[in-house]
Amino acid sequence: RKEVEQDPGPFNVPEGATVAFNCTYSNSASQSFFWYRQDCRKEPKLLMSVYSSGNEDGRFTAQLNRASQYISLLIRDSKLSDSATYLCVVVRGGTSYGKLTFGQGTILTVHP
Amino acid sequence: EAGVAQSPRYKIIEKRQSVAFWCNPISGHATLYWYQQILGQGPKLLIQFQNNGVVDDSQLPKDRFSAERLKGVDSTLKIQPAKLEDSAVYLCASSLVEQFFGPGTRLTVL
Repeated sequence: RKEVEQDPGPFNVPEGATVAFNCTYSNSASQSFFWYRQDCRKEPKLLMSVYSSGNEDGRFTAQLNRASQYISLLIRDSKLSDSATYLCVVVRGGTSYGKLTFGQGTILTVHP
Repeated sequence: EAGVAQSPRYKIIEKRQSVAFWCNPISGHATLYWYQQILGQGPKLLIQFQNNGVVDDSQLPKDRFSAERLKGVDSTLKIQPAKLEDSAVYLCASSLVEQFFGPGTRLTVL
């Protein structure tokens, strides 16, 4: 079993749609969780951290369920510019030198 | 603020040849990482440095891959000899807390 698993998609949605991505992780010792965004042929960039209480950044909402070892990302009112690959990231150890493990990514395409 | 610099951006070699990649992290970032990203997969950590010491190299294929970070700043990753399955993007990242990635080196092994 992979340490971090994501549905690879692709998800094809119209502008304005709401879309949700899921991620599960296998190591219960994982301490920190993130969503990264990777545009085609570009490097990954941090989208947002994920907290147990849930957190929101504009149209993006992230949730963490430690008991189920499950992470989610919800995007509301999708824009064309949201088209990218979304990577779920799990960290063991402190974030300053912890080991990041990436999921394989979920591809999102938003069409007009 | 200058980001993580990597060179070359692209490299094409034949199998069994050697290749080296260079990374210059963001100034002041003590932690440096090398990742391998194969098409359709997420990045996989190869090696992590804290200053010039290795923190984690458990997934580095040590029979052919080597990396060094002399003086705790720049780093080089070498593959010798290359195999077809080494075709990937090699990403360097550095961090204080958040990791910042460089643009990567796209390696094609023919």
